[in-house]
Order: sequence, then structure tokens, then C-alpha cells
Amino acid sequence: EDQVTQSPEALRLQEGESSSLNCSYTVSGLRGLFWYRQDPGKGPEFLFTLYSAGEEKEKERLKATLTKKESFLHITAPKPEDSATYLCAVRIEIENQAGTALIFGKGTTLSVSS
Amino acid sequence: DSGVTQTPKHLITATGQRVTLRCSPRSGDLSVYWYQQSLDQGLQFLIHYYNGEERAKGNILERFSAQQFPDLHSELNLSSLELGDSALYFCASSVGGLPNTEAFFGQGTRLTVV
Repeated sequence: EDQVTQSPEALRLQEGESSSLNCSYTVSGLRGLFWYRQDPGKGPEFLFTLYSAGEEKEKERLKATLTKKESFLHITAPKPEDSATYLCAVRIEIENQAGTALIFGKGTTLSVSS
Repeated sequence: DSGVTQTPKHLITATGQRVTLRCSPRSGDLSVYWYQQSLDQGLQFLIHYYNGEERAKGNILERFSAQQFPDLHSELNLSSLELGDSALYFCASSVGGLPNTEAFFGQGTRLTVV
């Protein structure tokens, strides 16, 4: 069964304290791994797409990396405005159907205090 | 702003009733996806439409149905509502139906069934 697991569930950091979020996945055919940021009561905001092992993407204080089994979202010198839930998802082709779907992990809720 | 528009933002209705949620995708996007987000389940894939045709179904209840119209907007119909249907419902759109394209989410409709 296709599965995405994120850890930790919650993370509290001090401003400037760098850390990493983990996303491990088990899928039969990976067609892309996506990171989203979600603020309370809002829709997920697209951050990155990674397609192959060894790929890295950066945006401001965030850097996403991908291996064959997992992805990491590294947060360097975070600020309070980085507080949000970070969601990892994998795109799969659904067996016996023509379409695709994003399968999401349950997310890591990041709190950054000043 | 992702460019995906969902209406209404909030909906309160009674058990047994029927509601319709509306989604306008980003300009040029042919694919529309519907997701349900509840506190305990996270984001769950419901259904995928591409250029007016249903492409894939996830864990969508038989009481729920969707369609995509010629102008590419989509509607999600929820009937015989139960308390457990209370959740955030998100629509996402992407350029094509291919697996390796990013999906952009709307701000969601918060449905409360009382």
C-alpha cells in the first residue's frame, strides 16, 4: 500500500535554530515528491517538487532533498513566520484508473519562537 | 494567491441535507482534484477530473459526487450529510493530468454539519 510518513509530528524551535523534517515514503511508482506549507484554516501552499534521488531544491531558508526512500526539508535559521504545518506528498498513478492522486503525510507542525 | 477559487468559504448545514461546493481552477489548468481534510485523517484524495472527464477516484463515499463543466469549473456534491462529513474540503488544479505536475490548492470550504 502506498504510504507517506512524516516525522516528527510537532517541532518547536528557537529563532535561528536549524533543523530538519523527515518524510519517508513507500510507493510502487514514484512520480514526484511534493512539499507544501499549510497555515491554519488555509489551503496548502506549494513549495517544492523533487523527481529523482539526489535532487535538491532551495527557497529562502528552506532546502528539500530526496533519496530513494525519504525526503528531508531542512530549515536554516528559522524565523517565527516559518511557523506552519509542512506537508509532504507523493504523486501516484492509481491502479486501473487513468488519473493520478497526491498521497499526503499527516504533516509536521513547526513552531518557531523568538 | 494560488489562483484557485473555492466558494463558499464556510457552510453550516443540518444532517440529511445536500450541499454543493464550487471550484474554479487556475487559468489554463485542465485537471481538478478534490480533497477532504479532517483533524484525524489528514488530507484524503477524493476524485480527479481532467478536461471534463473523471479520471480517478479515491476514498469517495457514494453519497458524494463531482463533475467538471465545459468551462473547467468543478462542483462537489455532498448529500445525506452526516456529522462525520464535517471537514475542510479543498480543490486543487494542475496544468495537465500528468503525474509530474504541481497541484495548486484553493483556500478550501469549511463544512460544518450540525
